[in-house]
Amino acid sequence: DVKVTQSSRYLVKRTGEKVFLECVQDMDHENMFWYRQDPGLGLRLIYFSYDVKMKEKGDIPEGYSVSREKKERFSLILESASTNQTSMYLCASSLPYNEQFFGPGTRLTVL
Amino acid sequence: EDQVTQSPEALRLQEGESSSLNCSYTVSGLRGLFWYRQDPGKGPEFLFTLYSAGEEKEKERLKATLTKKESFLHITAPKPEDSATYLCAVQASTGGFKTIFGAGTRLFVKA
Repeated sequence: DVKVTQSSRYLVKRTGEKVFLECVQDMDHENMFWYRQDPGLGLRLIYFSYDVKMKEKGDIPEGYSVSREKKERFSLILESASTNQTSMYLCASSLPYNEQFFGPGTRLTVL
Repeated sequence: EDQVTQSPEALRLQEGESSSLNCSYTVSGLRGLFWYRQDPGKGPEFLFTLYSAGEEKEKERLKATLTKKESFLHITAPKPEDSATYLCAVQASTGGFKTIFGAGTRLFVKA
């Protein structure tokens, strides 16, 4: 079975802190994605990566950056956390143009 | 602009009461349409992929169908364990690896 793991299920951070969210997949998928999910807004794409060291902005990249140094690992970085970044963050991986497999999510609260 | 709209937002059924969820999409050429199930506090779980109008896929009490403008997820004789949010997503043939998600339909099945 495909497995996508995320470093934390719950995180509480303070405004202005630098936050790292890590995602690891074990199926050798080329593509990896970071989404945030908010009530009424659905899943919104922050960034995605189609290869090691390659990344593309999604719909809402402002305030975020990403890193993909190894194929199996995709990190989301909040450079200076703000309260409007309180959300559920979901990582996913896939083969090109195929269905995505999601991790369990990280619920981030920024105080 | 590529868009996915799901209806209804929420659906309440009695156990055994069959119904359908709707996903309407507007894309510049459909590469694939995906259905996912999401339980509270968890990441979405892949259900089906449909590629062309007329295609149907089935899994237990669920059947997904596709036309040129919409997809339906039919739920036959639902059980309480079918309660979840069902997400529809599309990939456009001109959209690269990007997947556009609908806001979802929350299904509640009462025993």
